[in-house]
Amino acid sequence: QSALTQPRSVSGSPGQSVTISCTGTSSDVGGYNYVSWYQHHPGKAPKLMIYDVSERPSGVPDRFSGSKSGNTASLTISGLQAEDEADYYCCSYAGSYTYVFGTGTTVTVL
Amino acid sequence: QITLKESGPTLVKPTQTLTLTCTFSGFSLTTSGVGVGWVRQPPGKALEWLALLYWDDDERYSPSLKSRLTITKDTSKNQVILTMTNMDPVDTATYYCVRRRSNVFDVWGQGTMVTVSS
Repeated sequence: QSALTQPRSVSGSPGQSVTISCTGTSSDVGGYNYVSWYQHHPGKAPKLMIYDVSERPSGVPDRFSGSKSGNTASLTISGLQAEDEADYYCCSYAGSYTYVFGTGTTVTVL
Repeated sequence: QITLKESGPTLVKPTQTLTLTCTFSGFSLTTSGVGVGWVRQPPGKALEWLALLYWDDDERYSPSLKSRLTITKDTSKNQVILTMTNMDPVDTATYYCVRRRSNVFDVWGQGTMVTVSS
């Protein structure tokens, strides 16, 4: 069970869109539609942004969207805002009631 | 309101056993599908899932740490306890308690920082 692979960092100007990839295997990302995404501001608790690949919890702006193709899931932030600057982690169900997180991506708003 | 709060030592020595307690409120661990578990984050590194205790008392562990972890509960106190044996400086991290519901970690505690040093 290896960590899911994410780009170390992505950046964009306010108003632009950025996409973060999350690559796993057929035993995790590719095998189940249970990918979630978490936003983490340093010193705070991580916050759920997307679940079940593309579902948004109530209160999460619709600027955040998720998708999946094969063994790779993606989080897209449209209309980037200053408060979106944070670390983002994907997480996937890995079978047998276990889970695996991604390596994390730092989003920088230029 | 659903809350989880971690408690435990801030400093442990190498080879010692770490015991962390998660005290939760606003939900029941006996509700079908619910789990309470632990996620950690070493300084400057990624989140890492450690363990989960499910509503049916099933215990699940990260394969890489399974031999060192035990997760239990104290139902009367609404607590879930994690023990990690043979602590090493690489185990220095912020440890988060999480609620799992429908394959999602939907509620997180604020985290507790644990340093492993002699």
